[in-house]
Amino acid sequence: DAKTTQPNSMESNEEEPVHLPCNHSTISGTDYIHWYRQLPSQGPEYVIHGLTSNVNNRMASLAIAEDRKSSTLILHRATLRDAAVYYCILRRNTGKLIFGQGTTLQVKP
Amino acid sequence: DVKVTQSSRYLVKRTGEKVFLECVQDMDHENMFWYRQDPGLGLRLIYFSYDVKMKEKGDIPEGYSVSREKKERFSLILESASTNQTSMYLCASSLLGGLGTGELFFGEGSRLTVL
Repeated sequence: DAKTTQPNSMESNEEEPVHLPCNHSTISGTDYIHWYRQLPSQGPEYVIHGLTSNVNNRMASLAIAEDRKSSTLILHRATLRDAAVYYCILRRNTGKLIFGQGTTLQVKP
Repeated sequence: DVKVTQSSRYLVKRTGEKVFLECVQDMDHENMFWYRQDPGLGLRLIYFSYDVKMKEKGDIPEGYSVSREKKERFSLILESASTNQTSMYLCASSLLGGLGTGELFFGEGSRLTVL
């Protein structure tokens, strides 16, 4: 099964951009790259997803490498409410999701 | 607002007891999933279902079974609970059956403690 690798933790200052990396070197051609985040005592929340092209939505941007072996979630201006565990996930056509360990993002005021 | 509701936020059971964890979604989604989440291990898929009465094993199905008699309800069953099944259990659903693009909606989780 394809897996993802993320740093265990990252720190950011409030109102600065944050780049959260994810490696998925064994990704297959039909795997979608999804990002979720999880606040304490809550279930994960969808952030963004993509296949090959970079994607933007109101929460974040997703930059996907040309070879699709890595991706970066970009939070343009971090706020204290963005402190969470961020998961990079490969979603297969079977519906099966493969979760990485997640990156714990700390945002300092 | 879309919603995935898990029946119990906290449960305490004894070893050997039968445990039912219920999950209901109000979005008419085809796909439903059960995960468990443990410190240092992230989320691991137990079972998923892409239609009524259909089920597929995930990565760690041992010790668990599931039931999907109605589209909106997906139940996780521990036939004989053991202490190593103490965990946070998360239910999720998504719209696109069998396809890779569907956004997942998660419930708030059920924290099960087996004594």
